[in-house]
Amino acid sequence: DAGVIQSPRHEVTEMGQEVTLRCKPISGHDYLFWYRQTMMRGLELLIYFNNNVPIDDSGMPEDRFSAKMPNASFSTLKIQPSEPRDSAVYFCASRGDVRNTGELFFGEGSRLTVL
Amino acid sequence: GENVEQHPSTLSVQEGDSAVIKCTYSDSASNYFPWYKQELGKRPQLIIDIRSNVGEKKDQRIAVTLNKTAKHFSLHITETQPEDSAVYFCAASIGSSYKLIFGSGTRLLVRP
Repeated sequence: DAGVIQSPRHEVTEMGQEVTLRCKPISGHDYLFWYRQTMMRGLELLIYFNNNVPIDDSGMPEDRFSAKMPNASFSTLKIQPSEPRDSAVYFCASRGDVRNTGELFFGEGSRLTVL
Repeated sequence: GENVEQHPSTLSVQEGDSAVIKCTYSDSASNYFPWYKQELGKRPQLIIDIRSNVGEKKDQRIAVTLNKTAKHFSLHITETQPEDSAVYFCAASIGSSYKLIFGSGTRLLVRP
């Protein structure tokens, strides 16, 4: 397996624009997580899905953020409209059955810069 | 709310010395405690984890200890090498859920 795949790797956009980040989890993993990483706030959990269903979105900062998982192999995180304070690295991670292993497998991240 | 505190924020050691990073958690129902290593510009990767039914776990030069009564756990790296230089994150599960809350990270520098 190629691991968790995220796109784009880098995105530079202007304030007010819509941003869509994409993630393909590892095949067979039932859980998908979106994290945001900044120097000030560290790794923050935004939302996670189980079997394509959003389980906990309490970390989503505000209504400008939305996430979907239309099928087991694809998820998106959308920011509309974007603001400079959204600049961060956004990581997607997936995990299999926690009874076997709790390991989170992270993608390489999407570095977002909002000007 | 749930919280994981990590100390120190930076740690500099001489090659060959040991390094210890400590974390405390707030949710007494937490039962899973992993440690991740993140090299500059890279993704976090799991290096070791421990579940609440175990007090200590070791894998070559790294070990993790867990004190459930005191709600703290620690990462120990012995015989440090320059390639151990990275940011290390502890994490704790929230109760019996599948959420992981991460500590703020420790930047470890191993001086050759």
